[in-house]
Amino acid sequence: KQEVTQIPAALSVPEGENLVLNCSFTDSAIYNLQWFRQDPGKGLTSLLLIQSSQREQTSGRLNASLDKSSGRSTLYIAASQPGDSATYLCAVGNNNDMRFGAGTRLTVKP
Amino acid sequence: NAGVTQTPKFRVLKTGQSMTLLCAQDMNHEYMYWYRQDPGMGLRLIHYSVGEGTTAKGEVPDGYNVSRLKKQNFLLGLESAAPSQTSVYFCASSYPDTQYFGPGTRLTVL
Repeated sequence: KQEVTQIPAALSVPEGENLVLNCSFTDSAIYNLQWFRQDPGKGLTSLLLIQSSQREQTSGRLNASLDKSSGRSTLYIAASQPGDSATYLCAVGNNNDMRFGAGTRLTVKP
Repeated sequence: NAGVTQTPKFRVLKTGQSMTLLCAQDMNHEYMYWYRQDPGMGLRLIHYSVGEGTTAKGEVPDGYNVSRLKKQNFLLGLESAAPSQTSVYFCASSYPDTQYFGPGTRLTVL
């Protein structure tokens, strides 16, 4: 059974700082990995999708990497802003069996 | 486009009552999903559908039933609600891999 872990559960940083969120998974036989953002009381918004054959994806200030052999993914956020404050979740698997981590709650202080 | 919508947004049930949650998407996606989100546990897949007229069990299907009579709609039913089903329920759709989520339904079972 695939287990997905995100550490830390919460992170607080000052505005402008670069930061890394971590995601680890137990079964390296994945189809893809996705990073989502969830604002309080809202649904999830997909940020980046990495297929199993890819090593990284970038969108604006966000960069996600994937290392299947070690069962790890990172989400790098450059020059953080207060508007980046949210919970970030990673999910691994395929469309028929996606397993989510519990998320990292990020607070960016002005 | 409205994307993925969910009805209702909030609901309170008594133990043993039944209800149906409605999910609708206007993106012509083949795949649709129902998840539940509980504190500290991330999202867990309840049921999913790979196309009109099809349904399949996810990680936590017990106590729930689903139907996909039309491509754009995916219904989640609780026949006899239990306090353990108190949760936030999210619907999502996808094609091919990126998942798009609805705003969620907060269900409390007393």
